[in-house]
Amino acid sequence: EDQVTQSPEALRLQEGESSSLNCSYTVSGLRGLFWYRQDPGKGPEFLFTLYSAGEEKEKERLKATLTKKESFLHITAPKPEDSATYLCAVIDNNDMRFGAGTRLTVKP
Amino acid sequence: ETGVTQTPRHLVMGMTNKKSLKCEQHLGHNAMYWYKQSAKKPLELMFVYSLEERVENNSVPSRFSPECPNSSHLFLHLHTLQPEDSALYLCASSQSHGGGSEKLFFGSGTQLSVL
Repeated sequence: EDQVTQSPEALRLQEGESSSLNCSYTVSGLRGLFWYRQDPGKGPEFLFTLYSAGEEKEKERLKATLTKKESFLHITAPKPEDSATYLCAVIDNNDMRFGAGTRLTVKP
Repeated sequence: ETGVTQTPRHLVMGMTNKKSLKCEQHLGHNAMYWYKQSAKKPLELMFVYSLEERVENNSVPSRFSPECPNSSHLFLHLHTLQPEDSALYLCASSQSHGGGSEKLFFGSGTQLSVL
């Protein structure tokens, strides 16, 4: 069965400590991999879409990369305001299938 | 006005109550969705509407009943729910459904507690 797996489940970083979040997927015929950010008490907010292996996109301290089997969300020199749950999703039979997310906490 | 608005933000109901969740999108989109989000679990797609027609129902129990009167409004009618239905219910919209590349715009959700 097609699925999306995110790791780690939770990540605690010190401010300025760079790290990466992983999203592995098993879907036949990738039509788009999406990253969203979700703050407590709010709905997910779109960050990036990646379509093909080798593609990269950046936004402030975040950079998303894509291979044939997984995507990474790299966070460079994070700040406390980057604390949130990060969700990835892929298109599966016209519908968006989500992973369970990585809960990121950045301590000052 | 924010893109996708959901009301109420919080709802507590007994198992015998009937209530409705409301969603309104101000983005001119043609597709709307209901998702269920439980703690530490992936978002679960419940219903999809495209141009006001239901295109998908992912084996959702009949105690959940959606309604889409027009392309801007979406409702989720609830009756005789179970405690395990307690979750965050998220509404989303996209430009269209089925193209394969449309990003979703989410509301802030309704946090539902069933006692």
